[in-house]
This record gives sequence, C-alpha cells and structure tokens, in this order.
Amino acid sequence: GAGVSQSPSNKVTEKGKDVELRCDPISGHTALYWYRQSLGQGLEFLIYFQGNSAPDKSGLPSDRFSAERTGGSVSTLTIQRTQQEDSAVYLCASSSIIAGGTWTDTQYFGPGTRLTVL
Amino acid sequence: RKEVEQDPGPFNVPEGATVAFNCTYSNSASQSFFWYRQDCRKEPKLLMSVYSSGNEDGRFTAQLNRASQYISLLIRDSKLSDSATYLCVVARPGGYQKVTFGTGTKLQVIP
Repeated sequence: GAGVSQSPSNKVTEKGKDVELRCDPISGHTALYWYRQSLGQGLEFLIYFQGNSAPDKSGLPSDRFSAERTGGSVSTLTIQRTQQEDSAVYLCASSSIIAGGTWTDTQYFGPGTRLTVL
Repeated sequence: RKEVEQDPGPFNVPEGATVAFNCTYSNSASQSFFWYRQDCRKEPKLLMSVYSSGNEDGRFTAQLNRASQYISLLIRDSKLSDSATYLCVVARPGGYQKVTFGTGTKLQVIP
C-alpha cells in the first residue's frame, strides 16, 4: 500500500520568504508527527496531530512555524519569513491506534523535504 | 539530562563482528521502546520493538533493563549492509504516547 508521502522533496528559498511543506499520511492513520533533522543531528520533534487537532505543539521553535491538518489526512507545515537556521530536512510520520485503543507507536516516515534557505 | 541518550559513535567494526549499542532513558514512566534504523540521507525505519523479556529477530537482539533504565541492541555477524545510524526511541504516556528519539549511534561495517 501507499506509504507516507511528502512534497516537495527539495525546496530552495531565499531568506525572508514563506514556505509550505506538505505531508500525506498513510490512509487511516489518525496520528501525524512533524520532525526536523539538521545535518548530522537527531530528530527534533515539532508538532503532533491527533485527527485535525494538535494537542502537542511544544516543539515548534518559534511563532514563524505553524501547521494544520484537514480532513484528518493531509497536513501542511508553514514557515514564515524563513531564516538560514531553518535549513534542515523536515520529516513527517504517521501512526495509528490498533484494535482496542492501544497506541501502536510505530511511526512510518515519509522521505522528507530538504529545505535550504539561502 | 536528555530524555534519551545514545553514544553517537561512530562504531567501526569488521564484517562478521558482533557489536552492541546501549541507550539510556530518564523517564521511569516510559512504556514502549524501539530501535529504528536510518540510512544516510534517508528517513528512519522501524527495526524492532523492544520487549521486557528481550526479543530477537535474526541477527538482531534487543534487551530492556527497566531497573537501570536502558535498552540495548546487539548485532551479530555484522554485514556491510548494516552500516547505518541506529536510533533509540522511547514512548511514554502523556495524553498520547509521547515519543522521543535519541540522536542515534552510527555504525560503519568495514570489509
């Protein structure tokens, strides 16, 4: 079946511009996560969605970052007035609740969007 | 103290060697544990879950020590294709199962 997809795969932008990154989770997965990974670094949690709501936004680094999810499916991460330190790979992952309401926690990742801010 | 800590490595081992990685976690309420593998410039992928009793999948063995709050991954008979970064992942309750990734341990298997 189809996995998590992200677009664009690469984005080069100029400092100060806004960018939108898109994530299509696996069909039926209710949980969606955004992470970013700078070169040679670990994953940095940004935000978590359960359905269309975001109960945990604690990882968003500044108010320039926002995200939304519609229809319990596609999510968009928006970065306004991009800065050079925003350059990183932005990864999206989805997971689902297995039968009985137990969290499976297994996260399936998309290929990421490599953002370069010049 | 970081919630999940790993030795970044790199671990350089010859083909056929046995190598072990440890990962420590700080929150005793953590409930679920995983090892993910991330190849260079690729997304992380689940390698295996870690169960209290320990579990094995082919050449890979995972162990959990709740008392000392660490998990381990043992790779036997290393292959060149095992070269990757291994991420320790810990999940704990928090309204939802909050998941924290370690920064990873890099393994390089050399011929």
